[in-house]
Amino acid sequence: EAEVAQSPRYKITEKSQAVAFWCDPISGHATLYWYRQILGQGPELLVQFQDESVVDDSQLPKDRFSAERLKGVDSTLKIQPAELGDSAMYLCASSRAYSGGIEQYFGPGTRLTVT
Amino acid sequence: GENVEQHPSTLSVQEGDSAVIKCTYSDSASNYFPWYKQELGKRPQLIIDIRSNVGEKKDQRIAVTLNKTAKHFSLHITETQPEDSAVYFCAASTGSGNTGKLIFGQGTTLQVKP
Repeated sequence: EAEVAQSPRYKITEKSQAVAFWCDPISGHATLYWYRQILGQGPELLVQFQDESVVDDSQLPKDRFSAERLKGVDSTLKIQPAELGDSAMYLCASSRAYSGGIEQYFGPGTRLTVT
Repeated sequence: GENVEQHPSTLSVQEGDSAVIKCTYSDSASNYFPWYKQELGKRPQLIIDIRSNVGEKKDQRIAVTLNKTAKHFSLHITETQPEDSAVYFCAASTGSGNTGKLIFGQGTTLQVKP
């Protein structure tokens, strides 16, 4: 069964440094999502792509976060500079997105710790 | 925007008992309601979902009910087993097709005691 891939699985960085996370969605899934999940809370959408275009980035802190999906397949999420409050799990998800539902499948996530 | 409230935050049951988790949503236009199970350190896994044109859906020991009038939906797990122990998240979808996005509840930690 195809799965969403993410790397790295764990990342420790010092504040003010730059970090980048990578996601490879399930083949054929046009829609890709980046979520942030703080321990004990539900995932919060940061950015949504349809192919290579951003559909929703209303919750993305654009002064320090950026995301791209240049060829409409894999995607990179970057934080520069990282802050202590950015420590969280960063989840990527993808979906085929057909009418009637948007079944999303999640990757294993990247656990970020900012020191 | 959409807001999803989930209760209870923690739930402890004896093996074999039933467990019920409830969610309410605010946007009457929401039309898709999935439930995810997340074991410690693992990815959220879609376990069941329901669309707004259906009132109930079952899959073996798991069922979901939807009350559109009251804007709430529930997850029911029967004959619970220790491997059901995890955090469960409900979500509601605003928009549709390629522009739909999920708003998640805060999660319920279910503990099934042997």
